[in-house]
Amino acid sequence: KAGVTQTPRYLIKTRGQQVTLSCSPISGHRSVSWYQQTPGQGLQFLFEYFSETQRNKGNFPGRFSGRQFSNSRSEMNVSTLELGDSALYLCASSSAPMGSEKTQYFGPGTRLLVL
Amino acid sequence: QQQVKQSPQSLIVQKGGISIINCAYENTAFDYFPWYQQFPGKGPALLIAIRPDVSEKKEGRFTISFNKSAKQFSLHIMDSQPGDSATYFCAASRYTGNQFYFGTGTSLTVIP
Repeated sequence: KAGVTQTPRYLIKTRGQQVTLSCSPISGHRSVSWYQQTPGQGLQFLFEYFSETQRNKGNFPGRFSGRQFSNSRSEMNVSTLELGDSALYLCASSSAPMGSEKTQYFGPGTRLLVL
Repeated sequence: QQQVKQSPQSLIVQKGGISIINCAYENTAFDYFPWYQQFPGKGPALLIAIRPDVSEKKEGRFTISFNKSAKQFSLHIMDSQPGDSATYFCAASRYTGNQFYFGTGTSLTVIP
């Protein structure tokens, strides 16, 4: 099976712009989670989608949003970019959200640089 | 508030030695404890995971030790190799949902 794919891999934006990142989960996986990884804060949970519904949301401002499509592909959007949004954004997919091993498989990430 | 505390931040081990990374948690609702390995430029990859009904799990050179009463768990890498040089993250999750709480990571360097 193909792994989790994320596009684009690298992105440079300027403050105030918005950005959309895409994630395609492993075939058959219906749960997609997003994380922000920075050297100072480590891996921080953004949100999780399962069957097109947001099930969990981390402690991030409303500028961070996401959605999931019927084919389980997911997008996350960051509006009004700030310098502090520079990070590696990771997507992880899982076959089930609860009552199971909950093994998450991560994609390679999208490296976002905000200038 | 850091839900999962990880130490040490960095670790240097000689080839063939044992690498030990420790994590502690507070939330007793956590019931799944994975360890991830991350190489530069890559996303984290699941290494090994444990549930609280067992005290130890071994897969090859990697062993998780789990102490439920102390709310601590650790990763032991036996016969450490230079190829093990990476950043290791512990994590924990609750039985509902897929929200994982990660430790801050340990940068492991194995010297030949």
